[in-house]
Amino acid sequence: SQQGEEDPQALSIQEGENATMNCSYKTSINNLQWYRQNSGRGLVHLILIRSNEREKHSGRLRVTLDTSKKSSSLLITASRAADTASYFCAFTGGGNKLTFGTGTQLKVEL
Amino acid sequence: DAGITQSPRHKVTETGTPVTLRCHQTENHRYMYWYRQDPGHGLRLIHYSYGVKDTDKGEVSDGYSVSRSKTEDFLLTLESATSSQTSVYFCAISESRAGENTEAFFGQGTRLTVV
Repeated sequence: SQQGEEDPQALSIQEGENATMNCSYKTSINNLQWYRQNSGRGLVHLILIRSNEREKHSGRLRVTLDTSKKSSSLLITASRAADTASYFCAFTGGGNKLTFGTGTQLKVEL
Repeated sequence: DAGITQSPRHKVTETGTPVTLRCHQTENHRYMYWYRQDPGHGLRLIHYSYGVKDTDKGEVSDGYSVSRSKTEDFLLTLESATSSQTSVYFCAISESRAGENTEAFFGQGTRLTVV
């Protein structure tokens, strides 16, 4: 399978802590994206990092990309209860096929 | 919100019957995708389209067919539904700039139950 893999599968933290989730993939990519999904809803795009970038920031989000290791990480700093959701990485290689990882379920407790 | 709608939102059907799900966009985006989401598997790509009448298979395409006769519509058909196709189906759209995909926008999903 060319599907990406994420770890951990589930993560439970206290509000104010940082949350880190990791994504690994197997193919060459053009870019890597992270999405968020609230329960029962569609996915919402968070951030995109290109294959020639190593790190990118957006608000409380920090994404890193290591193409030599075929891996990426998403860091959410100072987490809030409202950050509780599932998070997915996604990537495109040749042909613009958008492939997703298996997801990390994040629970932020008060 | 991006202009993307899926219909129906919920459907219960019997094993062996044909089912068609519709994805409609008003964004004029080139790429359209159908995914299924099942516990423990994340989103798995069924089929995608890179233009009118241009489609390709994803990783779980068996038992599914698609058609795109207009830019705005991407249809997913289960020719003969099976219980293993019970799932939540998501449609997504995206554009391409400078040779790479931009962010994808998702529909709200269709919950399909095959009994």
